[in-house]
Amino acid sequence: GAGVSQSPSNKVTEKGKDVELRCDPISGHTALYWYRQSLGQGLEFLIYFQGNSAPDKSGLPSDRFSAERTGGSVSTLTIQRTQQEDSAVYLCASSLGTGREKLFFGSGTQLSVL
Amino acid sequence: QKEVEQNSGPLSVPEGAIASLNCTYSDRGSQSFFWYRQYSGKSPELIMSIYSNGDKEDGRFTAQLNKASQYVSLLIRDSQPSDSATYLCAVNLGFSGGYNKLIFGAGTRLAVHP
Repeated sequence: GAGVSQSPSNKVTEKGKDVELRCDPISGHTALYWYRQSLGQGLEFLIYFQGNSAPDKSGLPSDRFSAERTGGSVSTLTIQRTQQEDSAVYLCASSLGTGREKLFFGSGTQLSVL
Repeated sequence: QKEVEQNSGPLSVPEGAIASLNCTYSDRGSQSFFWYRQYSGKSPELIMSIYSNGDKEDGRFTAQLNKASQYVSLLIRDSQPSDSATYLCAVNLGFSGGYNKLIFGAGTRLAVHP
């Protein structure tokens, strides 16, 4: 696609429910990243994919968070048993995968846990 | 100590002035540094990257890096109201692994007034 696509753009859920956030990276980008941005804060690294594998998942806050990537393309971030502190904007980014190149960010998913 | 620190601002400058944004980081081994611009409600956009000590200029933007002092700055010359945004400093902790594990500061909000 022309850019990084994320869906849904907004998600409101009740505490305790599971949610799935989707990211469709730029075609040909092998590297994919998930970040989280809480209100008024900088971005917090969650996980990095190279192809379908995740060499660095050190930023996932707890075992309620998981992510997968299939076909070297679409990635899904799943949050189980959501808590109010999970409320944030979840941003996905992709890049060519060399370490110095530009990250292209999607427009994010605003998650609100009531 | 936070890994990447920025003054939250707001930094208010008149149109046409030079805006100076500063950032310090804690990891002496860091090799690559980035400045992102984020408009309210939008995703971050890369404006400058710098890898070597000294200055790097691109149009109205100059990035400055001093690894000995663990200090990165961004100068915006001839500031315009359209430059009003939050500027995020980012340090790549994954560079040695060949990927972008960017650690972001909380950002400095810049307001350019006519």
